[in-house]
Amino acid sequence: AQSVTQPDIHITVSEGASLELRCNYSYGATPYLFWYVQSPGQGLQLLLKYFSGDTLVQGIKGFEAEFKRSQSSFNLRKPSVHWSDAAEYFCAVSDRTDKLIFGTGTRLQVFP
Amino acid sequence: EAGVVQSPRYKIIEKKQPVAFWCNPISGHNTLYWYLQNLGQGPELLIRYENEEAVDDSQLPKDRFSAERLKGVDSTLKIQPAELGDSAVYLCASSPAGGDEQYFGPGTRLTVT
Repeated sequence: AQSVTQPDIHITVSEGASLELRCNYSYGATPYLFWYVQSPGQGLQLLLKYFSGDTLVQGIKGFEAEFKRSQSSFNLRKPSVHWSDAAEYFCAVSDRTDKLIFGTGTRLQVFP
Repeated sequence: EAGVVQSPRYKIIEKKQPVAFWCNPISGHNTLYWYLQNLGQGPELLIRYENEEAVDDSQLPKDRFSAERLKGVDSTLKIQPAELGDSAVYLCASSPAGGDEQYFGPGTRLTVT
């Protein structure tokens, strides 16, 4: 069965610092992978997605993620965090049937 | 383009009472999803519609939960009777035919007292 693990429940960084949020997945074949962001009181917004091809994926708001098959990982990165990036981040995997399996999320706090 | 609309945004009810949530997807999107998001967790799929047809309702607790999408546009999710454990955020999402991205609404936060 598919599953997603986000090992970090809560991460705190200073504004301007780099960020990496970890995501590990379990799936038999090459999955579809997604990162979503959820601000307080808001729905989820898609940051980026990986289906195939180049393993380094660029998304919105300056985020990128790298698919590493050997590590079953799809970590999200940003070189310089802004205070507005404070939110909950969810990694998700799909088996190509439109069914998304989400991780438990990582809450990002940004200090000025 | 208007996003996915959900109402109400917040609902407080007493246990054993019924409650209903409404969702209007993005115009032209034929796939509609209802998700349950418990506090501190990621969303979990309850039901997926392709037009009027529920194509995946395996995670919907059918003893108390029901959903409908009669005209293949907007949808209603109902709980009757509500239990304390139903307190959560209920998210609606939609996607176009053949699309690979789901667009989420802001959700309805339900509190059962």
